[in-house]
Amino acid sequence: EADIYQTPRYLVIGTGKKITLECSQTMGHDKMYWYQQDPGMELHLIHYSYGVNSTEKGDLSSESTVSRIRTEHFPLTLESARPSHTSQYLCASSVGKSIQYFGAGTRLSVL
Amino acid sequence: TQLLEQSPQFLSIQEGENLTVYCNSSSVFSSLQWYRQEPGEGPVLLVTVVTGGEVKKLKRLTFQFGDARKDSSLHITAAQTGDTGLYLCAGESGNQFYFGTGTSLTVIP
Repeated sequence: EADIYQTPRYLVIGTGKKITLECSQTMGHDKMYWYQQDPGMELHLIHYSYGVNSTEKGDLSSESTVSRIRTEHFPLTLESARPSHTSQYLCASSVGKSIQYFGAGTRLSVL
Repeated sequence: TQLLEQSPQFLSIQEGENLTVYCNSSSVFSSLQWYRQEPGEGPVLLVTVVTGGEVKKLKRLTFQFGDARKDSSLHITAAQTGDTGLYLCAGESGNQFYFGTGTSLTVIP
């Protein structure tokens, strides 16, 4: 059973708003990731972290930021949301040679 | 960016038929994973293959990693409606994961 949680599941906001997508895992995994995925399409890496106080940008940082103050918590912040940010955002954590757990995702719509 | 191409992109078959999905790249990966994703949910890991030429079976699903660790295939025997979903491959290289373009499978009863 996956123990990685994302909130909110759905979010509709206006352009220019600042939002934070939450991601928490209870498995003690050091590595965590944020991906962006349009419906039925591939995943694009936005940010990743290999441990507390370690964050890196992926290929698609999409004007967002992340923080990793605690092992279990890896929030993603959009400073000023735009319609191009409309997508599904997936958080994941890993140990070893594979990504083992994904959250259920946050589906974001920016009007 | 390490590109992983999956084929076919869409596949619709009758229940009971067999099918094969392919994941190809020009890059070498340390390991390769297959996931299944249902609408509105996150991907769920099906298998990880590490060794070139490795074959793993998971009930009716057979996964193979290419000898050169650049490609992989997923074969489903006697497909069931519960197999419907988006199948994603992902290659691991240098502690990063690169996802394929996905194959959307629909199994018709």
